[in-house]
Amino acid sequence: RKEVEQDPGPFNVPEGATVAFNCTYSNSASQSFFWYRQDCRKEPKLLMSVYSSGNEDGRFTAQLNRASQYISLLIRDSKLSDSATYLCVVNPWGFKTIFGAGTRLFVKA
Amino acid sequence: AAGVIQSPRHLIKEKRETATLKCYPIPRHDTVYWYQQGPGQDPQFLISFYEKMQSDKGSIPDRFSAQQFSDYHSELNMSSLELGDSALYFCASSSSRESSGANVLTFGAGSRLTVL
Repeated sequence: RKEVEQDPGPFNVPEGATVAFNCTYSNSASQSFFWYRQDCRKEPKLLMSVYSSGNEDGRFTAQLNRASQYISLLIRDSKLSDSATYLCVVNPWGFKTIFGAGTRLFVKA
Repeated sequence: AAGVIQSPRHLIKEKRETATLKCYPIPRHDTVYWYQQGPGQDPQFLISFYEKMQSDKGSIPDRFSAQQFSDYHSELNMSSLELGDSALYFCASSSSRESSGANVLTFGAGSRLTVL
């Protein structure tokens, strides 16, 4: 079992739709959680950190469920510019950082 | 704001040649990471350095070596290159002194290596 697992998608949604991604992790002692966004042939960029209480940044909402060991990302009112690969990232301990395989999102007009 | 600088951005080599990639982390970041991303793959962790010492090792081949220098820049050396080494190589840096305690990585734009 991979340490971080994501549904690879692709998710094809129309503009304005709401879409949710889930990610599970295997190390129950993991400390920090993030969602990164990666555009084709570009570097991953931090989208948002994920906190136990859940956090929201505009149209994006991230949730953490420690009991079930998963994190989620909700995108509301999808825009064409949201088309990208979304990487779930877990920091189990210290400097170790594990990337999920990424979920591909296509937003269509 | 200063970002993570990687060079060269593109590199073409023949099989069995050597290549060196360089990474200049964000000023005052004390940790550097190297990742390899093949076509359609997620970034695979190779190696990391904290305060110029190797801190963690991932799926780095024995043909590869890396180090972090006194000015905190890092170099990834790849020898006996194989076709399968063709990939995007990302360097990322972070600070262990983040107030939140979270290990947030900032990535460079990557170095694209093509092995012919």
